[in-house]
Amino acid sequence: DTEVTQTPKHLVMGMTNKKSLKCEQHMGHRAMYWYKQKAKKPPELMFVYSYEKLSINESVPSRFSPECPNSSLLNLHLHALQPEDSALYLCASSQDPPGGREKLFFGSGTQLSVL
Amino acid sequence: AQSVTQLGSHVSVSEGALVLLRCNYSSSVPPYLFWYVQYPNQGLQLLLKYTTGATLVKGINGFEAEFKKSETSFHLTKPSAHMSDAAEYFCAVSDPGQGAQKLVFGQGTRLTINP
Repeated sequence: DTEVTQTPKHLVMGMTNKKSLKCEQHMGHRAMYWYKQKAKKPPELMFVYSYEKLSINESVPSRFSPECPNSSLLNLHLHALQPEDSALYLCASSQDPPGGREKLFFGSGTQLSVL
Repeated sequence: AQSVTQLGSHVSVSEGALVLLRCNYSSSVPPYLFWYVQYPNQGLQLLLKYTTGATLVKGINGFEAEFKKSETSFHLTKPSAHMSDAAEYFCAVSDPGQGAQKLVFGQGTRLTINP
């Protein structure tokens, strides 16, 4: 199994809603990532978890809250989002703790629309 | 700080023609270099990477890239384009010394294949 699975594939939410994005991998990878990708733009790193501990937070607003319940799962909790947060949210994983040279395996993403 | 410049946001070639996608980087130390491809409505997939050793790197789907330190370049090539190569291509760089997988992506190049 060489897949990173993200659910849901599409999500529409209002600015007062609370929702969660889920990501799962069963490759035994010890590092997991959240990226945000706006249309026609490159992905931007949000968070990195290494051995289930948050190792990088790229100054992401607190309305985005990551969680890593175990080594296979990564969640992104959303609350009080703004319309400009509408984007494709990509989850990725890599085999080893981040060291710069690892191949990232990406999921297909969750397309989020905030109304 | 590292940066990546992809020359040409859109490249169009005929089926069977040479594909050349340009990438130049800026880094204070020899970086790790990557090419990722993104098909519509999907996540990113690694084509190839350069970390150390041989400067000509072969990847999947017949693509290759050459690391040229003197030119700070890592251009992606494929001898003969196929219709299935139509996608968005991202060059990315990471710093070996930073101890974390913080990929910096270029702006992307959309490759169109004409029949």
